[in-house]
Amino acid sequence: DAGVIQSPRHEVTEMGQEVTLRCKPISGHNSLFWYRQTMMRGLELLIYFNNNVPIDDSGMPEDRFSAKMPNASFSTLKIQPSEPRDSAVYFCASSRGTSVNQETQYFGPGTRLLVL
Amino acid sequence: KQEVTQIPAALSVPEGENLVLNCSFTDSAIYNLQWFRQDPGKGLTSLLLIQSSQREQTSGRLNASLDKSSGRSTLYIAASQPGDSATYLCAVGGSNYKLTFGKGTLLTVNP
Repeated sequence: DAGVIQSPRHEVTEMGQEVTLRCKPISGHNSLFWYRQTMMRGLELLIYFNNNVPIDDSGMPEDRFSAKMPNASFSTLKIQPSEPRDSAVYFCASSRGTSVNQETQYFGPGTRLLVL
Repeated sequence: KQEVTQIPAALSVPEGENLVLNCSFTDSAIYNLQWFRQDPGKGLTSLLLIQSSQREQTSGRLNASLDKSSGRSTLYIAASQPGDSATYLCAVGGSNYKLTFGKGTLLTVNP
């Protein structure tokens, strides 16, 4: 298996622009997670999907952030409009979803976002 | 709110040395604890997953222990190698499926 795939790997944009990050989870995995990693705050969970349904989006920082999972093999995280403080590495992770509390999560390589 | 602390923040050791990384958490009501490795510019790789009912897990030169009552876990690396150089992250899994991460320990193993 190719593992969790994320695109783009790097994104540089200007403040106010829309940014869309993409994720393809491991085939057969039913749970998908979006995380953000910064030096100050470390890794934080933004949103969790199970069977394509958002279960918990309490970690989404504000309304500028939105996430979708239209099917089992694709998810997007959108920031509109982007701000410099959104600069971070965004990770997508997936797990089997049969017993999510006891499963390993598999992480993608991340998207490094820089908002100027 | 669960808080996870990792000490030290950075560690540098000579090749061949045995070492211990520490992780502490504030809420002992956990489902599991995981240790991850993160290489520069890359994602996280799961090393060991300890269920709340377990005391330790081993994989090759790695051994992780869990003491729920004291809110502590250790990752023991035997006979360290330069290829072990990375950031090691501890993450605690709660009943709400969320993983709470520590900020990591940056390990450098010098040849």
